[in-house]
Amino acid sequence: DADVTQTPRNRITKTGKRIMLECSQTKGHDRMYWYRQDPGLGLRLIYYSFDVKDINKGEISDGYSVSRQAQAKFSLSLESAIPNQTALYFCATSESLGGKVFFGEGSRLTVL
Amino acid sequence: RKEVEQDPGPFNVPEGATVAFNCTYSNSASQSFFWYRQDCRKEPKLLMSVYSSGNEDGRFTAQLNRASQYISLLIRDSKLSDSATYLCVVGNNAGNMLTFGGGTRLMVKP
Repeated sequence: DADVTQTPRNRITKTGKRIMLECSQTKGHDRMYWYRQDPGLGLRLIYYSFDVKDINKGEISDGYSVSRQAQAKFSLSLESAIPNQTALYFCATSESLGGKVFFGEGSRLTVL
Repeated sequence: RKEVEQDPGPFNVPEGATVAFNCTYSNSASQSFFWYRQDCRKEPKLLMSVYSSGNEDGRFTAQLNRASQYISLLIRDSKLSDSATYLCVVGNNAGNMLTFGGGTRLMVKP
């Protein structure tokens, strides 16, 4: 089983719909992240959390919200999806110290 | 200007060739540096960390030049399985926030 699990892996939805992407990890890491990847733009940070009570905006947080329900769970929500949120979304975790990051397998979201 | 810049490629090389990628970063206070590998439609995975003294892992050698703010990755004796996108990643002062480059695509051909 993967250490960082994302659901759903693929989702097609319509403009205006609410979408939630879920992430769970078994690595025991405190730090969790949500990134989006667009062709040619690399990975851009949406939100990050360093523990259950900590939520921080990343580079491109507008239009997104997150919830850190437990150390192992970090969900990303799109309250009203729009087509330019079509992307590949990655959840990731890291150790408290050091920069090694472990990614989930990604969630491909298409907003029509 | 992007914080971390890479030539997107693709770099098309024959098997057995030596290929090198460079990456430049804008934040002189950056403290940690990495190369990640990403296969098509897959998640990025850590390839290697990059140290000031340079480091080698088999056919892969990474170098850091702090004065010029660039990082390099050298792949010797390229294999077909090396075909992937290589992401340059730079960490902040605390080493816990990462900025990703757009990636360099490598295609190794028979």
